Amino acid sequence: AQKVTQAQTEISVVEKEDVTLDCVYETRDTTYYLFWYKQPPSGELVFLIRRNSFDEQNEISGRYSWNFQKSTSSFNFTITASQVVDSAVYFCALSEERYNFNKFYFGSGTKLNVKP
Amino acid sequence: DAGITQSPRHKVTETGTPVTLRCHQTENHRYMYWYRQDPGHGLRLIHYSYGVKDTDKGEVSDGYSVSRSKTEDFLLTLESATSSQTSVYFCAISDGLAGEGTETQYFGPGTRLLVL
Repeated sequence: AQKVTQAQTEISVVEKEDVTLDCVYETRDTTYYLFWYKQPPSGELVFLIRRNSFDEQNEISGRYSWNFQKSTSSFNFTITASQVVDSAVYFCALSEERYNFNKFYFGSGTKLNVKP
Repeated sequence: DAGITQSPRHKVTETGTPVTLRCHQTENHRYMYWYRQDPGHGLRLIHYSYGVKDTDKGEVSDGYSVSRSKTEDFLLTLESATSSQTSVYFCAISDGLAGEGTETQYFGPGTRLLVL
């Protein structure tokens, strides 16, 4: 079974629309971490946010906001008033602590196309 | 931005030849990772290191070996490259196991490898 599921393979929106990227995770650990990364067309992977399992407070950073709900094992990412520069593949990831490292599980990514 | 470089950035090689990819960090982070990214598979862990000379296998380690003789360098070797190893390879680093964001992984720019 997938540890991290990003059911939306590709989303297309028109500039200024709001868009939400879904992420559902699966873990039995009580302590874990959730992440979002952005991969623009240039190819690099850019860290966006980290949340730990004990902090369910939603976070807002400019046009970006994240909704963490343990009850539904979801960590969704919303972009408000999308811009063309937001076009990228977005990856959600789960990190579980193992005996000598933090194992990351990545979702398969959601490609966001923002059209002018 | 975390100081991570990868070399080469692009490489074309022939089946059966050995290939070494280098990851170099200037952050003095303890943990280093090698991933491969393929369409439909997201990011998959090849090998990781939890200290100098301390390495272990990830989920797709067959056909790959690694070495870490000093903190700043983590080498990935394809002993005899095959076409199935055509991929984009990412190096990542993190500073700790858990807490205060030290488990966050930061990625290098990637290496595109084509095996003919």
